[in-house]
Amino acid sequence: GAGVSQSPSNKVTEKGKDVELRCDPISGHTALYWYRQSLGQGLEFLIYFQGNSAPDKSGLPSDRFSAERTGGSVSTLTIQRTQQEDSAVYLCASSFGVEETQYFGPGTRLLVL
Amino acid sequence: KQEVTQIPAALSVPEGENLVLNCSFTDSAIYNLQWFRQDPGKGLTSLLLIQSSQREQTSGRLNASLDKSSGRSTLYIAASQPGDSATYLCAVSQSGGGADGLTFGKGTHLIIQP
Repeated sequence: GAGVSQSPSNKVTEKGKDVELRCDPISGHTALYWYRQSLGQGLEFLIYFQGNSAPDKSGLPSDRFSAERTGGSVSTLTIQRTQQEDSAVYLCASSFGVEETQYFGPGTRLLVL
Repeated sequence: KQEVTQIPAALSVPEGENLVLNCSFTDSAIYNLQWFRQDPGKGLTSLLLIQSSQREQTSGRLNASLDKSSGRSTLYIAASQPGDSATYLCAVSQSGGGADGLTFGKGTHLIIQP
């Protein structure tokens, strides 16, 4: 079946602009995760959804970052007033349930000029 | 705060050799541990997941072990092939419902020489 998909695959934006990243999880997966992979920083957990609910948003790097999930499916990660340090690969993962194997999408490569 | 360390950071071996990648974590209160591979410019592919109550998992030429009390895991790759070249990542899930996501190591960059 279809895996996790993300769009866009690449995004170049100017500093100060807002960007929206999209994640389509595997059908039937109730848990959805966002991570960020920066050069030299490794993979960093951002936020987790169980259904449409995100119990803890403290992993988001700043208040410029927000995420939502609707219908227990698609999720969007929004970055407002982008900064150069936001440049990274943003990865989404989903799992059938909490603590199950996470399946990752191909990521969105964000470059802020 | 959980920290995951992977050794070595990079490894280059001739094709056909057996090899071991190491992962250590500072907080033994984990729910499970996963090994992933990442190919250049791609996402992560899950290789093996070991629950905290398990000692090892096997898939084909891969075998992962877990010693929770000592905070260590190893990934054994038998009869390595050039297609095994990738970055291998170890990640742990803390007990408590998934809200903390996975904590990743920085990976081992593996090159298998033909």
